[in-house]
Amino acid sequence: AQSVTQLGSHVSVSEGALVLLRCNYSSSVPPYLFWYVQYPNQGLQLLLKYTSAATLVKGINGFEAEFKKSETSFHLTKPSAHMSDAAEYFCAVSETGANSKLTFGKGITLSVRP
Amino acid sequence: KAGVTQTPRYLIKTRGQQVTLSCSPISGHRSVSWYQQTPGQGLQFLFEYFSETQRNKGNFPGRFSGRQFSNSRSEMNVSTLELGDSALYLCASSLYRGENYGYTFGSGTRLTVV
Repeated sequence: AQSVTQLGSHVSVSEGALVLLRCNYSSSVPPYLFWYVQYPNQGLQLLLKYTSAATLVKGINGFEAEFKKSETSFHLTKPSAHMSDAAEYFCAVSETGANSKLTFGKGITLSVRP
Repeated sequence: KAGVTQTPRYLIKTRGQQVTLSCSPISGHRSVSWYQQTPGQGLQFLFEYFSETQRNKGNFPGRFSGRQFSNSRSEMNVSTLELGDSALYLCASSLYRGENYGYTFGSGTRLTVV
């Protein structure tokens, strides 16, 4: 069975500081991994995805994530936080094959201080 | 091109009633999945439809059902509503079944059961 762990429920950074949101996964088969962002009263927007190509994945809005199989991690980073990055971030895993459902982590709320 | 459209955006129902939510996927997308989002349980997979057939189902009671039409539009139905069914219901579409290249989510239907 697949699962995702996002440590902590809230991260606060200053504007211009590094953003690091952690995600660890568990999967019995090679996984597909995703980061989604959710702004208040909206749906989920795909930030980036890992689909077994390059281990360093670049996404929208300056975010990137690195797949580390040995650590079963897929942490999300952004070099310089912007006020508009304040939102809730979800890491998700999907297994290859017919079972394509997404299993989400609990989510992390990112606050950006001026 | 138009995104995933969910209607209605907000809904208030009374315990014991039933409700039907609608999802129109991105044009050409054939797979539609539904997720429930609550503060306590987070994002949970409900079911997936492809070519008018339910292909995968999450761990929800039989009161939750759905269907997909020939134009790929999908509806989900919840009968005998309970207070705990209050949630944001998200629909996601993708081009093919098992396509793990990222699902596009709608803005959701917020259901409140009173």
